[in-house]
Amino acid sequence: SQKIEQNSEALNIQEGKTATLTCNYTNYSPAYLQWYRQDPGRGPVFLLLIRENEKEKRKERLKVTFDTTLKQSLFHITASQPADSATYLCALALYNFNKFYFGSGTKLNVKP
Amino acid sequence: EPEVTQTPSHQVTQMGQEVILRCVPISNHLYFYWYRQILGQKVEFLVSFYNNEISEKSEIFDDQFSVERPDGSNFTLKIRSTKLEDSAMYFCASSEFQGGGYTFGSGTRLTVV
Repeated sequence: SQKIEQNSEALNIQEGKTATLTCNYTNYSPAYLQWYRQDPGRGPVFLLLIRENEKEKRKERLKVTFDTTLKQSLFHITASQPADSATYLCALALYNFNKFYFGSGTKLNVKP
Repeated sequence: EPEVTQTPSHQVTQMGQEVILRCVPISNHLYFYWYRQILGQKVEFLVSFYNNEISEKSEIFDDQFSVERPDGSNFTLKIRSTKLEDSAMYFCASSEFQGGGYTFGSGTRLTVV
């Protein structure tokens, strides 16, 4: 089965710095990879989607890269703010788009 | 901004009882999903639904579970005979197209006692 690994340790950074979160996967190569933000007790909120034939996607302060050779996606938040503090989940779909497999998430703490 | 609405936000039920979790997806979305998240664990797939039928279901989604879209707006998840291990946050989600970003609801926290 698909295995998705995100750093289980919290990432603590200073406001204004760039946060970089990692998502590694094994077995099959996903067709799509998505990143979500989840706040405590809330549903995940969709941030960005990247397809297997795309290397990079950007949206405002967010950037996602997708390296199918390394089987890795990186998620960057530039000029981070305390309001960016949350858990960030990666999720991937194989060519069957009916479901996504989620990682366990990385908690980001941005300190003022 | 359009939202996925879930009710109730919290449900406590006795083991063995039936529960129905309700969802109103975004009106122009065609694909519907239920996921769940046991406290402290990953978000895990239960079932996907399109064109009034199940597209795919996970091993978790056994005969105790069923989904229905009884009218043009509601999407429900029924658990016939709840078990203690069904306690989790249940999320409904919808998407406009297959493989697109999901819009999740705020979830129903189900506690089976």
